[in-house]
Amino acid sequence: NAGVMQNPRHLVRRRGQEARLRCSPMKGHSHVYWYRQLPEEGLKFMVYLQKENIIDESGMPKERFSAEFPKEGPSILRIQQVVRGDSAAYFCASSPAPTGHSNTGELFFGEGSRLTVL
Amino acid sequence: AQKVTQAQTEISVVEKEDVTLDCVYETRDTTYYLFWYKQPPSGELVFLIRRNSFDEQNEISGRYSWNFQKSTSSFNFTITASQVVDSAVYFCALIAMDTGRRALTFGSGTRLQVQP
Repeated sequence: NAGVMQNPRHLVRRRGQEARLRCSPMKGHSHVYWYRQLPEEGLKFMVYLQKENIIDESGMPKERFSAEFPKEGPSILRIQQVVRGDSAAYFCASSPAPTGHSNTGELFFGEGSRLTVL
Repeated sequence: AQKVTQAQTEISVVEKEDVTLDCVYETRDTTYYLFWYKQPPSGELVFLIRRNSFDEQNEISGRYSWNFQKSTSSFNFTITASQVVDSAVYFCALIAMDTGRRALTFGSGTRLQVQP
């Protein structure tokens, strides 16, 4: 009965490198959300995906950031040419397909991936 | 646009004291959901409660209680007889439903320190 699995838990990158963060949703969940938490701040929404489809990417920076959720395999958040300001905790959450209001907001969060950019 | 404000950045209490964490929200949507999450020092997010905008009944769960007041757009969280294990950052969050977006808007969090 695994929950949302994120890896790596900790990632260190030098400026200019690429960071890839993976998220496997809970079994039976087809929707994935990525949030970013900067030090001492709340979580900020980045992107909402379902399998092979981006539903809402209004919180994604326009450059260097991309996300995918392929038909098979985990969701990937990719950050190219990382900068120090990308250092943060990146949380993934999953939910079942929304069936109206009854399961709205039933997000199950992973333990986060902490990215440090040197 | 939605907004959640947690004006208390940090609160420190002594064990067994009661403590209330404030949350004020803004939305123009008529249908919305409010949440509280706990983030202990280990970093994960723990879901505590969900409340929809049509249900203003207060809720109690053990030492936790929530007071939802639509008139003041507030959803406050009280811990009775606090314990050291309650030390964490607590986040209030909102999903506004009218636009169909399903993204949680989080407040900036309140760090609660419970001293023995």
